[in-house]
Amino acid sequence: DSGVTQTPKHLITATGQRVTLRCSPRSGDLSVYWYQQSLDQGLQFLIQYYNGEERAKGNILERFSAQQFPDLHSELNLSSLELGDSALYFCASSPKVRAEAFFGQGTRLTVV
Amino acid sequence: AQSVTQLGSHVSVSEGALVLLRCNYSSSVPPYLFWYVQYPNQGLQLLLKYTTGATLVKGINGFEAEFKKSETSFHLTKPSAHMSDAAEYFCAVSYTGRRALTFGSGTRLQVQP
Repeated sequence: DSGVTQTPKHLITATGQRVTLRCSPRSGDLSVYWYQQSLDQGLQFLIQYYNGEERAKGNILERFSAQQFPDLHSELNLSSLELGDSALYFCASSPKVRAEAFFGQGTRLTVV
Repeated sequence: AQSVTQLGSHVSVSEGALVLLRCNYSSSVPPYLFWYVQYPNQGLQLLLKYTTGATLVKGINGFEAEFKKSETSFHLTKPSAHMSDAAEYFCAVSYTGRRALTFGSGTRLQVQP
């Protein structure tokens, strides 16, 4: 158990819909990262937050957004969903810059 | 561009044989290097990391890796494979100024009885 909690574990939704994925980082970790894992793209970094502020952006689509709340939990919002958005979405947290990241179990999103 | 390359998307070994998973990075500055393992339907688990200091790094489950600056490599090894080692392995790198880890494409390790 990494200490990072993601909910829900599985999500099935229709094209065009909007979903919210939730992540609780390890106790004390200020950095939260979101990654997308798919068969064709591998593990892609989406976005990072540090203590409530956005710190870095990766390959995140404009239809996707995220935020980190004062209690440090984070949410990833995916809207206008397309079939190609079906993937595993991972949240990870770390205690400091350039430290190792601890991953949650992921949310498997299926868009039908 | 700074990146990490894993050679071989699939590696198959016999139980008890040496495991060697290859990782090369491209960087003009010293990187921090990591190996993660992912079992089916699970998240990524940290195996080991290199930041500074000793270039031979020991991790969990009997794995180790050696940072070779001259070869820009960080290959993962284990002397004797177990059936339980079957999983996907990811090499990752962190560079100064980039806060998020950049992952390689992964190597799926199969262990034959």
